Amino acid sequence: GAVVSQHPSRVICKSGTSVKIECRSLDFQATTMFWYRQFPKKSLMLMATSNEGSKATYEQGVEKDKFLINHASLTLSTLTVTSAHPEDSSFYICSASEALAGGPSTDTQYFGPGTRLTVL
Amino acid sequence: AQKITQTQPGMFVQEKEAVTLDCTYDTSDQSYGLFWYKQPSSGEMIFLIYQGSYDEQNATEGRYSLNFQKARKSANLVISASQLGDSAMYFCAFSGNTPLVFGKGTRLSVIA
Repeated sequence: GAVVSQHPSRVICKSGTSVKIECRSLDFQATTMFWYRQFPKKSLMLMATSNEGSKATYEQGVEKDKFLINHASLTLSTLTVTSAHPEDSSFYICSASEALAGGPSTDTQYFGPGTRLTVL
Repeated sequence: AQKITQTQPGMFVQEKEAVTLDCTYDTSDQSYGLFWYKQPSSGEMIFLIYQGSYDEQNATEGRYSLNFQKARKSANLVISASQLGDSAMYFCAFSGNTPLVFGKGTRLSVIA
């Protein structure tokens, strides 16, 4: 159980275009989904936290107008990189957690396989 | 703010031997969780093991065990009987009243 899918796995786009990445929890309802960015040989950097049906909470320094996050259902969250530029090229990875009785500190996050974005 | 530290950027271990990956954290939260994830070269993050701050026993999952020393604020991952497929990046992560915070990771290389 606890499978998270992410689509596409790899995308190459031209500068100025927008790219949408989907994150789905396949066998559980994800009350919270998270979007991370990872640079080569670096750790994961949290971009935003999204709860189903409400606006995403962005981390400091992350442009909410550039990285649009929608969490329309308990199994789907999308990240849209708008007007992409070469510096947006990165590995984007989502995770999902199912709220448990113990509270946030016990929620295990399950990660999708990631999306490698290359902006030309 | 929570801080999590992995002091070993890289580790080598002989196949079939055990290896310990270090992780320390700094927090004033009373209730928190510690996680270890494995990231192979494919990029996916694979959940390995979880330890809650109030758990009295160290967590174990197959060949993975967590050496949790609350007073020292350390949560080291022990991998027993290393296999070649264990070669990967390993991330320690902390969850308290804030979203998951990751350490910088340790690259483990298993040698035949």
